[in-house]
Amino acid sequence: QSALTQPHSVSGSPGQSVAISCTGTSNDVGRYNYVSWYQQHPGKAPKLMIYDVTKRPSGVPDRFSGSKSGNTASLTISGLQAEDEADYYCSSFAGGFGGGTKLTVL
Amino acid sequence: EVQLMETGGGLVQPGGSLRLSCAASGFTFSNYWMRWVRQAPGKGLEWVANIKEDGSEKYYVDSVRGRITISRDNAENSLYLQMNSLRVEDTAVYYCARDSGYETYDYWGQGTLVTVSS
Repeated sequence: QSALTQPHSVSGSPGQSVAISCTGTSNDVGRYNYVSWYQQHPGKAPKLMIYDVTKRPSGVPDRFSGSKSGNTASLTISGLQAEDEADYYCSSFAGGFGGGTKLTVL
Repeated sequence: EVQLMETGGGLVQPGGSLRLSCAASGFTFSNYWMRWVRQAPGKGLEWVANIKEDGSEKYYVDSVRGRITISRDNAENSLYLQMNSLRVEDTAVYYCARDSGYETYDYWGQGTLVTVSS
């Protein structure tokens, strides 16, 4: 059982926005601003999309954004594109990984 | 360009051993904590072990402690995972990853599959 809780799946149509939540506790997500998000396509290695809650590595589209409120962090993807269909994992300092969320682009 | 490349996976019987390697290039290897993360078939990511820049500190997930050892050779820019007393539940793709700080995995290898089966 993962320490961080994510929805099993989310979906959206091209052009829409979707948000994926990641709920931890006051000892991990709630205490530290070190939440990161990873995108994983089938058969591929994970890729860092967001770090330190809101920061984007070079090369990641600005359609991807991160936020946090209390013990819950969120990844928002705006202007959904077909290539965004993948599994997404959150991670927090002292919290490990979330169980992953499958994003389906309808 | 940062690159991480794992090797050493394969099929092994329960109770057997395997040594995974991760060759690093494109960055100063000795300046970073490094980690191993695994992913069982159809499952999520699980941190396995991590090691400090100079190898002086090592940490393990409870399920592998005592059976698996992480090590590194900074002169060779290489990370290792010695896996002993392997169990069926150790079957997974094993990734090495660079830790840029506070459990942020900024670069990943392509992974190597370990299958434990009789």
